[in-house]
Amino acid sequence: DGGITQSPKYLFRKEGQNVTLSCEQNLNHDAMYWYRQDPGQGLRLIYYSQIVNDFQKGDIAEGYSVSREKKESFPLTVTSAQKNPTAFYLCASSDRGWEQYFGPGTRLTVT
Amino acid sequence: AQSVSQHNHHVILSEAASLELGCNYSYGGTVNLFWYVQYPGQHLQLLLKYFSGDPLVKGIKGFEAEFIKSKFSFNLRKPSVQWSDTAEYFCAVTYNTDKLIFGTGTRLQVFP
Repeated sequence: DGGITQSPKYLFRKEGQNVTLSCEQNLNHDAMYWYRQDPGQGLRLIYYSQIVNDFQKGDIAEGYSVSREKKESFPLTVTSAQKNPTAFYLCASSDRGWEQYFGPGTRLTVT
Repeated sequence: AQSVSQHNHHVILSEAASLELGCNYSYGGTVNLFWYVQYPGQHLQLLLKYFSGDPLVKGIKGFEAEFIKSKFSFNLRKPSVQWSDTAEYFCAVTYNTDKLIFGTGTRLQVFP
């Protein structure tokens, strides 16, 4: 059963702590993406990776970091430097230039 | 800057009404256009897409969209909505890259 998994579904952290969100895909897609979704703002691109061991900043990369050591995995770390980290985070993958497939998302709450 | 505009933020309709959601993009070059839908509690999923060819594209669940290059538009339509169409709808565009640029979304509520 091919798809994208994100875990956990809900995540709670205290301010000042780094937190890592998981994203795994078994679609054999080269490209993977992280978005942040906030009410009334749509989806904004945080980071993306077109190939293993390479990634680029998106529009709102400050306070986030990623790694792409394996084709199927693209974890996102929300660092303590991110000023407003509470949001819904979506991971996606695509077969280079075609439609993106999305995971179920992780809702992060930082208090 | 490249951007996508969705002017309808919240649309409320009765069942069987016709739907048209606006989408305009900012750049006049080669584009690929998408409409995604997010049903309550579900994954974001693709409704339809335009890459080339016939500018009128048909998607799932009776939706269609028309690419009008002269107007930089890709409006989504459905002749008769159902309660199950209640969702948030996102227009998105790529400009010859892998980066999708999303609009801010339109929340559609359909009442029986």
